[in-house]
Amino acid sequence: AQRVTQPEKLLSVFKGAPVELKCNYSYSGSPELFWYVQYSRQRLQLLLRHISRESIKGFTADLNKGETSFHLKKPFAQEEDSAMYYCALAHGAGGFKTIFGAGTRLFVKA
Amino acid sequence: DAGVTQSPTHLIKTRGQQVTLRCSPKSGHDTVSWYQQALGQGPQFIFQYYEEEERQRGNFPDRFSGHQFPNYSSELNVNALLLGDSALYLCASSLAGRQANYGYTFGSGTRLTVV
Repeated sequence: AQRVTQPEKLLSVFKGAPVELKCNYSYSGSPELFWYVQYSRQRLQLLLRHISRESIKGFTADLNKGETSFHLKKPFAQEEDSAMYYCALAHGAGGFKTIFGAGTRLFVKA
Repeated sequence: DAGVTQSPTHLIKTRGQQVTLRCSPKSGHDTVSWYQQALGQGPQFIFQYYEEEERQRGNFPDRFSGHQFPNYSSELNVNALLLGDSALYLCASSLAGRQANYGYTFGSGTRLTVV
């Protein structure tokens, strides 16, 4: 069965410290992976997608098929990065079904 | 562009009642997916509609049903409400064939409370 696991419910770091939010997935095919973010009082929004190999707001994520991981990283955390982060996996021929992890709350301390 | 709009924002229902939630997708999007998000959990996939048909479905009972209209808007219906149906219901729209590139655009959700 397809599954997305985010092992940390809460991650607290100091401003300027590196951040890594972990995501592991279970899927036998070739998944499309995403990170979504929800800032306080805002709606869930797409942060980045593995297919584009982009860096958004300083965040990057590399797909490691051997370890079935898609960890989100940022070298220097900012207070405005404090938010809820969800890793998501999309799959399915004829129409993508996206499943989400339980989320990790990132708190960046001043 | 208002993005994805959902109505109502909040709703209180009694056990056993029926509820209808509504969603208008982002302009240019043709696919609507519905999610249930319980407190402290990630969004759980209910189903997806495209071309007015249910295309994908998650592990939800038949009490959960939906509809998509020719203008791509969608409704989620839940019958015989249970206390456990209390959650935030999210609508997400996308463009068929482009989800891998662009992901979803989410609405702000409908908070359903069953008492």
